[in-house]
Amino acid sequence: QSVLTQPPSASGTPGQRVTISCSGSSSNIGSDVVNWYQHLPGTAPKLLIYSNIQRPSGVPDRFSGSKSGTSASLAISGLQSEDEADYYCATWDDSLNGPVFGGGTKLTVL
Amino acid sequence: EVQLVESGGGFVQPGGSLRLSCAASGFTFSNYAMSWVRQAPGKGLEWVSSISGIGSTTKNADSVRGRFTISRDNTKNTLYLQINSLRAEDTAVYFCAKGDCTSTSCYEFDSWGQGSLVTVSS
Repeated sequence: QSVLTQPPSASGTPGQRVTISCSGSSSNIGSDVVNWYQHLPGTAPKLLIYSNIQRPSGVPDRFSGSKSGTSASLAISGLQSEDEADYYCATWDDSLNGPVFGGGTKLTVL
Repeated sequence: EVQLVESGGGFVQPGGSLRLSCAASGFTFSNYAMSWVRQAPGKGLEWVSSISGIGSTTKNADSVRGRFTISRDNTKNTLYLQINSLRAEDTAVYFCAKGDCTSTSCYEFDSWGQGSLVTVSS
């Protein structure tokens, strides 16, 4: 069971806006920044959002991140078919003294 | 362009050993911490181990401590993971990932390899 809690699935139609939540505690999200990764099975995971809200170069501004207290969210606007993938939140856990990932959310574009 | 290419995976019996390698290119290897992250079949990502840029500090997840050893050869731009006393639950795709700084506290993994499959079964 993951230290960070994400919904196992999410879905939306092309053009819609979807959000994926990530819930943690004071020893992880509450005290460190959150990163988000996009993973298409069989490929290399990709850093999507870092330091809660920052986008690496090349990541469309349709992707945005936010954090409040012990929770974080990833929002995807103008949903496209190529956004269909697994999404993971991640941060540092002070109790475990290492990085932790959420369980992942499988996004389906209907 | 950063490239990370894993190798060394395969089929191993329980109790066996394996060494994974990750060949890096496109950046100054010794300036960055490196990590291994795995994904078991049907499961999410799990951090396994990290090593600092110069290789002086390592950190392991509790689930692998004492069995897995991370190392690096900065002259060869290569990261390694020695896996001993393999268990069925170690079956996973193992990814190497580049950190965004030099210490083992880096957890922003800005580049990843495609992964190497390790299957543990009798």
